[in-house]
Amino acid sequence: DVVMTQSPLSLSVTLGQSASISCTSSRSLVYSDGDTYLSWFQQRPGQSPRRLISRVSYRESGVPDRFSGSGSGSDFTLKISSVATEDVGIYYCMQGTHYPMTFGQGTKVEIK
Amino acid sequence: QVQLVQSGAEVSEPGASVKVSCKASGYVFRDYYIHWLRLAPGRGLEWMGWINPKSGGTSYVEKFEDRVIMTQDSSITTAYMELTRLRSDDTAVYYCVLGDSLDYWGPGTLVTVSS
Repeated sequence: DVVMTQSPLSLSVTLGQSASISCTSSRSLVYSDGDTYLSWFQQRPGQSPRRLISRVSYRESGVPDRFSGSGSGSDFTLKISSVATEDVGIYYCMQGTHYPMTFGQGTKVEIK
Repeated sequence: QVQLVQSGAEVSEPGASVKVSCKASGYVFRDYYIHWLRLAPGRGLEWMGWINPKSGGTSYVEKFEDRVIMTQDSSITTAYMELTRLRSDDTAVYYCVLGDSLDYWGPGTLVTVSS
């Protein structure tokens, strides 16, 4: 199975400051169709996960534009440009290129 | 709108089985696969497999394939996930999730395995 490794596992950020989460896969996530099936999920306290970004950089409807995804191959980054209170939670990267889909360990984001 | 309602929390003994239900509404039930995932303390999210409500076909992750049974009853737009021969490390929140892109998540069902 593809191993997804996130860093850091915990992040304490001042409101309004930026935050970055790294995600590295054990294999390239480029699929045979040319697309890269790397998604980011957010899980707020007491809620189910929700997808923020798909295919590396495509924001889902309703996701604030302070969230952005980037990367290629096996190295990816989620950036929050100006952290807000409602961004507290755990963030997971997920690959859907190789069977079975696998997730990173999660990065806990809190406000300093 | 799409809604997934899961059954309530369960406490089971090691070696027993548990069956979690997921009642779907707000879309055509047969049109989208339903996936099952779990979130265990300290272990992150794990994908367990899917069921195709149109055909009843299933695909299970190798780790679970000898212990999990996914079924569905399209007449009541409900999917089920049964996990057998429970162990303490099966303690987790179990989610049903709609669609291959994991678009909609149920609220989760806490399953606690303890003697």
